[in-house]
Amino acid sequence: EIVLTQSPGTLSLSPGEGATLSCRASQSVSGGLLAWYQQKPGQAPRLLIYNTGSRATGVPDRFSGGGSGTDFTLTISRLEPEDFAMYSCQQYGSSPHTFGQGTKLDIK
Amino acid sequence: QVQLQESGPGLVKPSETLSLTCTVSGGPLSVYTWNWIRQTPGKGLEWIGYVYPSGVTAYNPALKSRVTISVDTSESQFSLKLSSVTAADTAVYYCARGQTVRAFEFWGPGTMVTVSS
Repeated sequence: EIVLTQSPGTLSLSPGEGATLSCRASQSVSGGLLAWYQQKPGQAPRLLIYNTGSRATGVPDRFSGGGSGTDFTLTISRLEPEDFAMYSCQQYGSSPHTFGQGTKLDIK
Repeated sequence: QVQLQESGPGLVKPSETLSLTCTVSGGPLSVYTWNWIRQTPGKGLEWIGYVYPSGVTAYNPALKSRVTISVDTSESQFSLKLSSVTAADTAVYYCARGQTVRAFEFWGPGTMVTVSS
């Protein structure tokens, strides 16, 4: 099983600032099949990024994903108030699909 | 627009079987995997397993001995059964549509299931 470790656990920033979230895998993610989800309290996760760097339908271009092998990042270029939420990475290239424990992005 | 909706009991007694159904609307079942995921405060998101429209399944080894996922294409539904539940199975359960490259693009709103006597 691939273990995904996200850092930091909590990131406190102000609107307008940029954010970089990290997701490290215990072994190489097959095919770069790494996704990022945004989740707000009481809601289901929302797909932001799939296949390492492809934005899902309707996702603003201030969200971008990158990386390869075992190290991946989600970058938010200019934080909007609605971006403050929990972010989780997921690898779906091998079974079992696994998720990271999440990074909470909160308002400073 | 594809929509998914979970349904089933919100309370299950210990040692009994948790049963949930996910109803899909707005798109075909074909081509995709149909997944169950759960979320607990302590463990975060945990993938339970998936079923293809053909009935082929894959399960998380951690739960495999207790899980059955099935599909009813005529009703556009797929179901989860988790046997011998304990308090550790208390979670929000989500269904989601998966695709080989596009990950889990559509999710149901989730349903809270509590295991308690």
